[in-house]
Amino acid sequence: DAKTTQPPSMDCAEGRAANLPCNHSTISGNEYVYWYRQIHSQGPQYIIHGLKNNETNEMASLIITEDRKSSTLILPHATLRDTAVYYCIASLYNQGGKLIFGQGTELSVKP
Amino acid sequence: ETGVTQSPTHLIKTRGQQVTLRCSSQSGHNTVSWYQQALGQGPQFIFQYYREEENGRGNFPPRFSGLQFPNYSSELNVNALELDDSALYLCASSGAHTSGRTPTGELFFGEGSRLTVL
Repeated sequence: DAKTTQPPSMDCAEGRAANLPCNHSTISGNEYVYWYRQIHSQGPQYIIHGLKNNETNEMASLIITEDRKSSTLILPHATLRDTAVYYCIASLYNQGGKLIFGQGTELSVKP
Repeated sequence: ETGVTQSPTHLIKTRGQQVTLRCSSQSGHNTVSWYQQALGQGPQFIFQYYREEENGRGNFPPRFSGLQFPNYSSELNVNALELDDSALYLCASSGAHTSGRTPTGELFFGEGSRLTVL
């Protein structure tokens, strides 16, 4: 699996968009980008994944650069409940449960 | 709620003892993975079970073992506990058991079992 690099921490004002970057410069052509988050003392929660097109669901949007070397997770209107550690993972689609988590980005949403 | 349940939620053991952690996967999922999360770290993949067989293992010694049952529930067993085994143990399920599709990276995690080894 390709290695991903994320900033260790970020702050965001409540109600504003939170943009979380991720670098995956060694990603292979058939590896997807997955995003998970983990709220304190809970299990990780799946957010979104994509291959090369931008993706959007009810939780977030995922923007992947054309060269696929980086991506951005966007939470359009951050709330205090979005405070969590966000993990960006590059993995083959059919890896099943074998995901490699890094250190993630600790997002603090402030009033 | 993910539909993945783990038990027990907390437990305390002493060095050298053995522990069994249990996981019920989400309905319709045939793949179960186990992760270890030490304090302040991201989850680390232990192993995965697909249709009752181990299908991938991370960098963990043989004293970490598992089982998957016909109903797709699973157990994680750790023998000869060490202090460094103190962690949150997470179970995750994925896949669809009737369609035959290959399990995907979209995992549904339980809340974990927090193990303290004294």
